[in-house]
Amino acid sequence: QVQLQQWGAGLLKPSETLSLTCAVYGGSFSGYYWSWIRQPPGKGLEWIGEIDHSGSTNYNPSLKSRITTSVDVSRNQFSLKLTSVTAADTAVYYCARRPSYENSHKFDYWGQGTLVTVPS
Amino acid sequence: QSALTQPASVSGSPGQSITISCTGTSSDLGSYNVVSWYQQHPGKAPKLMIYEGSKRPSGVSDRFSGSQSGNTASLTISGLQAEDEADYYCCSYAGSSTSFGGGTKLTVL
Repeated sequence: QVQLQQWGAGLLKPSETLSLTCAVYGGSFSGYYWSWIRQPPGKGLEWIGEIDHSGSTNYNPSLKSRITTSVDVSRNQFSLKLTSVTAADTAVYYCARRPSYENSHKFDYWGQGTLVTVPS
Repeated sequence: QSALTQPASVSGSPGQSITISCTGTSSDLGSYNVVSWYQQHPGKAPKLMIYEGSKRPSGVSDRFSGSQSGNTASLTISGLQAEDEADYYCCSYAGSSTSFGGGTKLTVL
């Protein structure tokens, strides 16, 4: 059974860097894009970006300048850094798995979510 | 990258059927037949309900069905049950990017 477990700081000050890590238990680490998705309080889902086991990335154009993602294949972990946070970055951040095979696009496993708050 | 368009809310009585629409553009839904749908209960992570337009993951009730034609996709829930009350999101590949719909709140009356 695949499980994604995430962690990171929940309270940041404006201009600080958000840092989250997600560990993958069960299943293979290759053959997937490892994704980050966020949800501001009371609002919808926003795709942030993704990385595969080789380090190939895709990012949301609106966030691209502030995002860095990385993978640690030896630990089956992947991470997100978002720089220069503001109150607008306050959200629940989810990690998720997306199979990378052609003609498919689905987030089939999700982490539990981490609330990150940036006071205004 | 624009969000896909969903109705803000839909409602139905137990036992009835409802359909949630998701409208995109030729850059996302119109080009890629891979729309997925997610159910989210309050305080919980989203759950995959439909993928590749109409396929159900193992364990998802067959009361949930999906379709896609051109720039529009639909999620239909038949035989509504109280536990179906949740937020529903559509999602599509958009050429090295991903777009979500704004979400639809389903109320079971």
